[in-house]
Amino acid sequence: AQSVTQLGSHVSVSEGALVLLRCNYSSSVPPYLFWYVQYPNQGLQLLLKYTSAATLVKGINGFEAEFKKSETSFHLTKPSAHMSDAAEYFCAVSPTGFQKLVFGTGTRLLVSP
Amino acid sequence: GAGVSQSPSNKVTEKGKDVELRCDPISGHTALYWYRQSLGQGLEFLIYFQGNSAPDKSGLPSDRFSAERTGGSVSTLTIQRTQQEDSAVYLCASSATSGGASEQFFGPGTRLTVL
Repeated sequence: AQSVTQLGSHVSVSEGALVLLRCNYSSSVPPYLFWYVQYPNQGLQLLLKYTSAATLVKGINGFEAEFKKSETSFHLTKPSAHMSDAAEYFCAVSPTGFQKLVFGTGTRLLVSP
Repeated sequence: GAGVSQSPSNKVTEKGKDVELRCDPISGHTALYWYRQSLGQGLEFLIYFQGNSAPDKSGLPSDRFSAERTGGSVSTLTIQRTQQEDSAVYLCASSATSGGASEQFFGPGTRLTVL
């Protein structure tokens, strides 16, 4: 079954530092991949998605992710962290032939001043 | 425009009682999904509706869980004879189409606590 693995349940960065959140997928064919963000006591909001149109995907709030087939990775990055980026981030895959999303375990991003 | 709404936002119930959770999707969205978010299990898919039919119920954890959708709009998730392990946040999402690349828009969730 297609799945995603997020390395690191917590990532801490300083304000202004690079943000790197890791996601690896398991699939023999390039799947649809998503990054969602969840702020406290809120639902999930889509940051960006990969649908095979371009390997470098730009999303909202300055985030981007690069699809690397050779590494089966879809890491999320942002050049400069802001305090408002503190939230939980979920990588997800839409398995081929299914309509559901399969989520990773999430990474909580902590941003310190 | 209005997003996905869910009610109630919080529900506390006693073990053994039945509960109903409601989801109002974005107007015109044909696909609707239910997920559950809990500390132990993370984010899990429960059920998917296309229109009023549910072609994928594979995530429902037991026969105590059921869901329906009427008029291609509102959906209700029912949990019968609630157990403490049912305590979780239940999230509803909708999308304009049912393709795998479609963006799912999520509601704020219903936090269910079973005492």
